[in-house]
Amino acid sequence: AAGVIQSPRHLIKEKRETATLKCYPIPRHDTVYWYQQGPGQDPQFLISFYEKMQSDKGSIPDRFSAQQFSDYHSELNMSSLELGDSALYFCASSLGLGGTQYFGPGTRLTVL
Amino acid sequence: GNSVTQMEGPVTLSEEAFLTINCTYTATGYPSLFWYVQYPGEGLQLLLKATKADDKGSNKGFEATYRKETTSFHLEKGSVQVSDSAVYFCALSALYNQGGKLIFGQGTELSVKP
Repeated sequence: AAGVIQSPRHLIKEKRETATLKCYPIPRHDTVYWYQQGPGQDPQFLISFYEKMQSDKGSIPDRFSAQQFSDYHSELNMSSLELGDSALYFCASSLGLGGTQYFGPGTRLTVL
Repeated sequence: GNSVTQMEGPVTLSEEAFLTINCTYTATGYPSLFWYVQYPGEGLQLLLKATKADDKGSNKGFEATYRKETTSFHLEKGSVQVSDSAVYFCALSALYNQGGKLIFGQGTELSVKP
């Protein structure tokens, strides 16, 4: 069965650079969630989209923005990167708000 | 607000031992409850879920029962294998006023020795 696809899988950036993470949900899933997982920590919710509209916002820095496109894929844009942004970034998709979430493999971002 | 608390790890067991990982939650309304598993270097995989009180989720020999009276969702397995070594996350999702986002416990690392 098709799963959630994330790209790139690994990303290395310098401080103050920008990064764009992409997420392709499971076909027919209309809801996307983004989470950030620091080393040894549990995933923390960043932002979510339902039918291309932002549905909820968590502890996402103002330097980050995201959107969901007409084909339901989503992109997380991160600017003015800081060392503390180094983490695993997961995307999850579901069918409708509150549906069971299925996670992608994650993007490991390292900021030097 | 909503929260999830798991027993601290790491938990080290011998192969074929019985496993229990405790999970309790605080939530308004009627959340759905989940266990996710994360193998080293990988993403989160859904292990099992329960959407209402007294539901039992089960998968791959793992079980958990949604207990509203004790606000718990403990994970159990009768006989663990070395391949079960991973980090286990308990999570809840509340649609009302929460948008369905997952709130995770801190994770419990399980190490199974041959």
